[in-house]
Amino acid sequence: DGGITQSPKYLFRKEGQNVTLSCEQNLNHDAMYWYRQDPGQGLRLIYYSQIVNDFQKGDIAEGYSVSREKKESFPLTVTSAQKNPTAFYLCASSIGQPYIQNTGELFFGEGSRLTVL
Amino acid sequence: RKEVEQDPGPFNVPEGATVAFNCTYSNSASQSFFWYRQDCRKEPKLLMSVYSSGNEDGRFTAQLNRASQYISLLIRDSKLSDSATYLCVVTLNTGGFKTIFGAGTRLFVKA
Repeated sequence: DGGITQSPKYLFRKEGQNVTLSCEQNLNHDAMYWYRQDPGQGLRLIYYSQIVNDFQKGDIAEGYSVSREKKESFPLTVTSAQKNPTAFYLCASSIGQPYIQNTGELFFGEGSRLTVL
Repeated sequence: RKEVEQDPGPFNVPEGATVAFNCTYSNSASQSFFWYRQDCRKEPKLLMSVYSSGNEDGRFTAQLNRASQYISLLIRDSKLSDSATYLCVVTLNTGGFKTIFGAGTRLFVKA
C-alpha cells in the first residue's frame, strides 16, 4: 500500500538536544511538507519541498532544518535553537506540480509527538 | 485577519441532529477547497473536496460560495463516530500549491 511513514511516533528529548524526525513516502509525490500542530491550534507550515534538492521555509522555520536528498525522504531536525519544540509534527505530501488533475490534496503521515523534558 | 477562519466550537449535539460548520477565507485567488477530519491525536484525513456546484457524500454536504468567500459543511443524522475536529482547508496555486488550514471546529456527538 502506498503511503507516508513517520518515525518515531513518540519521542522525548532533553533540552539542548537536536532530534531528527523521519518521513518517507512511496506515493511518488513531488512535494513534501512538515507541519507543526499545538493543542487547539491549526497546522502551521515549517518547511516544504517541491522537488529533490530544493526546499523552502514555511511560516515557522526558525529552529528547524530539513533536507531533501531523495524524492521519497524529507527528514526534519528540531534543533536546540527551537525554543518551544513540544508539539505534534505532521509530514505530508502532494503531487505538487500543477498538473491538470492535481487539486492540491495533502496526504499525511500518522505524526510524531515530541516532548521536551 | 486569519487567512482561513472557523468557529472553534465545540459543538455539542445529540445523535441524529443536523449540524453545520462555516468557514471563511480571505484570499480571493484561492483555488481548491477541502474539509478534512482529524480525530484526537491523529493525523488529518480528507473528508471531501468542495466545489462551487456543491457536493454531497452520504450524510455530508459541502457548499462553496466564491462571491462571499465562504465554505460550509452540513452533517445530517449525526453519529457518535462523527465526533472529531473538522478542518477547513484552502489551497492557492502559486506555482506549487500553498495549503492553508483553519484551526478547526470541534464536534462532540452525544448519545
